Amino acid sequence: GAVVSQHPSRVICKSGTSVKIECRSLDFQATTMFWYRQFPKQSLMLMATSNEGSKATYEQGVEKDKFLINHASLTLSTLTVTSAHPEDSSFYICSVHRTGRDEKLFFGSGTQLSVL
Amino acid sequence: SQELEQSPQSLIVQEGKNLTINCTSSKTLYGLYWYKQKYGEGLIFLMMLQKGGEEKSHEKITAKLDEKKQQSSLHITASQPSHAGIYLCGGARGSQGNLIFGKGTKLSVKP
Repeated sequence: GAVVSQHPSRVICKSGTSVKIECRSLDFQATTMFWYRQFPKQSLMLMATSNEGSKATYEQGVEKDKFLINHASLTLSTLTVTSAHPEDSSFYICSVHRTGRDEKLFFGSGTQLSVL
Repeated sequence: SQELEQSPQSLIVQEGKNLTINCTSSKTLYGLYWYKQKYGEGLIFLMMLQKGGEEKSHEKITAKLDEKKQQSSLHITASQPSHAGIYLCGGARGSQGNLIFGKGTKLSVKP
């Protein structure tokens, strides 16, 4: 079964509205989650690292006020795209890091955001 | 900045044929992940390599990481239509779990 649950899978919104995307770790607690963005026919680009109980770490060029990340619990991180514009239309996907002996990175199923 | 080069960009093979996808990093990696993706969908974990010279196999897929931990290959034996998709290599820069990705290899398998 799925280890990471991401919702919604697809969202269409009007320009200027905000959209929240949820990423849940189903099988284990995760102090760290990651948010990526993928434009058509491009690779995944890391946007930010979500840290439970503290501020997210953003990659260079990613606006922290536009992409709000909240990691309030060990199993849930949310990404809110504020005042979305058409150029924010993209595929957003989260990943969860399982550390320890059987280290793995699991990815959610992604969210396709279309801003009209 | 650290980059991950993946080749070939696309690949079309006849069913039953073997194929290899390569992934090269400009710097030594902490670890190397291989995923399969259908565009617009999530990533399916294939393999993770962490030790120099490591080789792992699962069903008909074998992945190797060189001693310097800068180059990896993914080899598929006797390809099937179900192997079609986009293969992504992701390099771990450290133990934190954040990855940089190659641009992917689009694999098509002709029946």
